[in-house]
Amino acid sequence: EAQVTQNPRYLITVTGKKLTVTCSQNMNHEYMSWYRQDPGLGLRQIYYSMNVEVTDKGDVPEGYKVSRKEKRNFPLILESPSPNQTSLYFCASSPQQGSGNTIYFGEGSWLTVV
Amino acid sequence: GENVEQHPSTLSVQEGDSAVIKCTYSDSASNYFPWYKQELGKRPQLIIDIRSNVGEKKDQRIAVTLNKTAKHFSLHITETQPEDSAVYFCAASRTYKYIFGTGTRLKVLA
Repeated sequence: EAQVTQNPRYLITVTGKKLTVTCSQNMNHEYMSWYRQDPGLGLRQIYYSMNVEVTDKGDVPEGYKVSRKEKRNFPLILESPSPNQTSLYFCASSPQQGSGNTIYFGEGSWLTVV
Repeated sequence: GENVEQHPSTLSVQEGDSAVIKCTYSDSASNYFPWYKQELGKRPQLIIDIRSNVGEKKDQRIAVTLNKTAKHFSLHITETQPEDSAVYFCAASRTYKYIFGTGTRLKVLA
């Protein structure tokens, strides 16, 4: 089954404790990205990757890091989480870079930073 | 920076009525405009999309119209049903950047 898988789905952590949210897709997609969803703000792009070893900042990259060492994986790293990073996070993938290609979203990861 | 404005933020309609959600984008280079539906606690899923070389697209009860000159596009849902209740997001895209609207919560009242 074609899917984008995120882990963990739910996490409560403390300020400053490094964490990683993993994302994996099995569709051989070149393009992957991370979004955060907050009430009233919609979906905002954090980082995206056009292919292996190619990443770039989205609209809200501060406080996040990513890496793309393999085509299927695109982890999101919070080096020192803060309460304002409490949010719902979605990983997404698309067949190739460029507009006009459907984005497939993962199921989402609820992150709470206390 | 680029942005997408979406209105209304909430919309209540009676079952069987039509619903219209409107979005305006700022980046004139945008050339792809998808609409996503997000049910409570679930991921956004694509319901319809339109490219810049097309003015209108229809899929059963759902249609999208695009006015490139005015830089706005709209989602039309006819004969609404309770299962249409969800949050709807529009987006405008060019190359690798997707800018989403802030969402519209649609409630279909039985």
